[in-house]
Amino acid sequence: DVKVTQSSRYLVKRTGEKVFLECVQDMDHENMFWYRQDPGLGLRLIYFSYDVKMKEKGDIPEGYSVSREKKERFSLILESASTNQTSMYLCASSKYRGGSTDTQYFGPGTRLTVL
Amino acid sequence: SQQGEEDPQALSIQEGENATMNCSYKTSINNLQWYRQNSGRGLVHLILIRSNEREKHSGRLRVTLDTSKKSSSLLITASRAADTASYFCATDSYIIIQGAQKLVFGQGTRLTINP
Repeated sequence: DVKVTQSSRYLVKRTGEKVFLECVQDMDHENMFWYRQDPGLGLRLIYFSYDVKMKEKGDIPEGYSVSREKKERFSLILESASTNQTSMYLCASSKYRGGSTDTQYFGPGTRLTVL
Repeated sequence: SQQGEEDPQALSIQEGENATMNCSYKTSINNLQWYRQNSGRGLVHLILIRSNEREKHSGRLRVTLDTSKKSSSLLITASRAADTASYFCATDSYIIIQGAQKLVFGQGTRLTINP
């Protein structure tokens, strides 16, 4: 079974802090994704990566950056956390490139509260 | 931007009844997927239907796709308390960025099964 793990289930940070959310997948997947999920807004894509050191902006990249130094690990960085970044953050991975039909596998999520 | 829109937003039925959820989308797709999310957890893939398929079954799940109406439905038969969750449809982007298939999720239907 594919396993996607996230470093924390719950996280509380203060405004202005730098926040790192870590995601690791164990199935040698090419693609990794970061979403945030908010009531009434569904899942929104922040960033994704299709290869090591490669990244693409999603729909809401402002205020976030990402890092993918190793294939299995994809980090989401909040350079200076703000209260409007309080949300559930979901990491996902998928296997294929080249246009193949693909399923995404999700981690359990990190509920981040910024005070 | 939202592609899939689920209907209804919330559904409450008695155990043993069938549950039907609908999804509408706006642009052409290659595939449509349904995912389930238990409260406060990550999403789990349920079923994928390709654009050239009209119906697909998996256990107690039946998915239909009508590309002319740009809509899909998910039917769960003989519902159980464990089916209580949120259900999301996800459509792929027609343009695949760098070979990675980008999914766009709807806002979900919250299904409650009453014992």
